[in-house]
Amino acid sequence: KNEVEQSPQNLTAQEGEFITINCSYSVGISALHWLQQHPGGGIVSLFMLSSGKKKHGRLIATINIQEKHSSLHITASHPRDSAVYICAVLNAGGTSYGKLTFGQGTILTVHP
Amino acid sequence: NAGVTQTPKFRILKIGQSMTLQCAQDMNHNYMYWYRQDPGMGLKLIYYSVGAGITDKGEVPNGYNVSRSTTEDFPLRLELAAPSQTSVYFCASNGQGSSYGYTFGSGTRLTVV
Repeated sequence: KNEVEQSPQNLTAQEGEFITINCSYSVGISALHWLQQHPGGGIVSLFMLSSGKKKHGRLIATINIQEKHSSLHITASHPRDSAVYICAVLNAGGTSYGKLTFGQGTILTVHP
Repeated sequence: NAGVTQTPKFRILKIGQSMTLQCAQDMNHNYMYWYRQDPGMGLKLIYYSVGAGITDKGEVPNGYNVSRSTTEDFPLRLELAAPSQTSVYFCASNGQGSSYGYTFGSGTRLTVV
């Protein structure tokens, strides 16, 4: 079993829909990152969370440390949100050296 | 613009050839990483560095080598390329190596034939 599991693996939505992508992890962490990758493009950091909730525009990220679970929500989705969304965790402990463990990614397609 | 610069963006290699993927950052970050991304899989760590002159293996180091002679540059060397090294490679940097944001390069798509 992977240390970081994302669901769903593929998600198709109509423009305007509310979208949720989930991430579960099995190790103790010091932080969780949500990343975005457009087709053929680079990887952009969206959020870094260690507790609670963060919001940036139409994107909201939450984390429940006790349940080892995080969600990324997109409100009023738009075709330009179509991308791969990646969850990555930073293991707790002083010798992690910033090394991330990644989920396999969720491919989101938003149709007009 | 400040960030992580990777070159080349695309490359086709023949089996047994060698090449170096270049990575440079201008943010004075100590921590740098090389990841590979295969279809349907999460990114896997190849090598990382916590400062000039200090490097260490990640999860999948076989067939690769790195060096870190300066804070800015972290090249990845492929010796004797194999089809299993066909992948997309990302370089990344991080200022503190802990709970700070990461900056990724735009990626290098490598095909070994």
